[in-house]
Amino acid sequence: GESVGLHLPTLSVQEGDNSIINCAYSNSASDYFIWYKQESGKGPQFIIDIRSNMDKRQGQRVTVLLNKTVKHLSLQIAATQPGDSAVYFCAENSGNKLVFGAGTILRVKS
Amino acid sequence: DAGITQSPRYKITETGRQVTLMCHQTWSHSYMFWYRQDLGHGLRLIYYSAAADITDKGEVPDGYVVSRSKTENFPLTLESATRSQTSVYFCASSAPRTNPQETQYFGPGTRLLVL
Repeated sequence: GESVGLHLPTLSVQEGDNSIINCAYSNSASDYFIWYKQESGKGPQFIIDIRSNMDKRQGQRVTVLLNKTVKHLSLQIAATQPGDSAVYFCAENSGNKLVFGAGTILRVKS
Repeated sequence: DAGITQSPRYKITETGRQVTLMCHQTWSHSYMFWYRQDLGHGLRLIYYSAAADITDKGEVPDGYVVSRSKTENFPLTLESATRSQTSVYFCASSAPRTNPQETQYFGPGTRLLVL
């Protein structure tokens, strides 16, 4: 989800479980969406992308789902591992620029 | 392959001083971007460049200046630093296909503290 005030939403999952991170985007005309992962002290790292003519795309252990009707994007991570702990951002291509959400913290409990 | 690098990684400066943050990419990507990241605001675009000698303002350009004399370099200058410019700065680049804003690749960031 998106941030509220100064606090990012946090998702805590047990190692081995599946994670679902959600994002609401703002522009119904956006035609391209990206998920980024940012580990502490590092720059955002590309995970997976999806175009608006698709509703699902799968990568290695990750799946992105796009629901254009409600302007919602989700990232599913299968068999979550400790190395998946990070902040996850969605980004939409809006007006020929990428607009980023504030991020969601994923914490993986061992 | 170095990819995209930023320097310095950490910088402390004082109000009113000029500071330049460097960004260098080895992919020959035509597009480059500068973002700042602040808690609660996510990544906000400061400036971007479509090619050498072509730059454009982003969402929060005030107080910043950029140049792009060479494709591989995109320095960001704070002409007179203010405390509100304390932030983490990220440089990114992308190679346009049909859409110039597709997949941006980010550098490691510069952490700037203005006292």
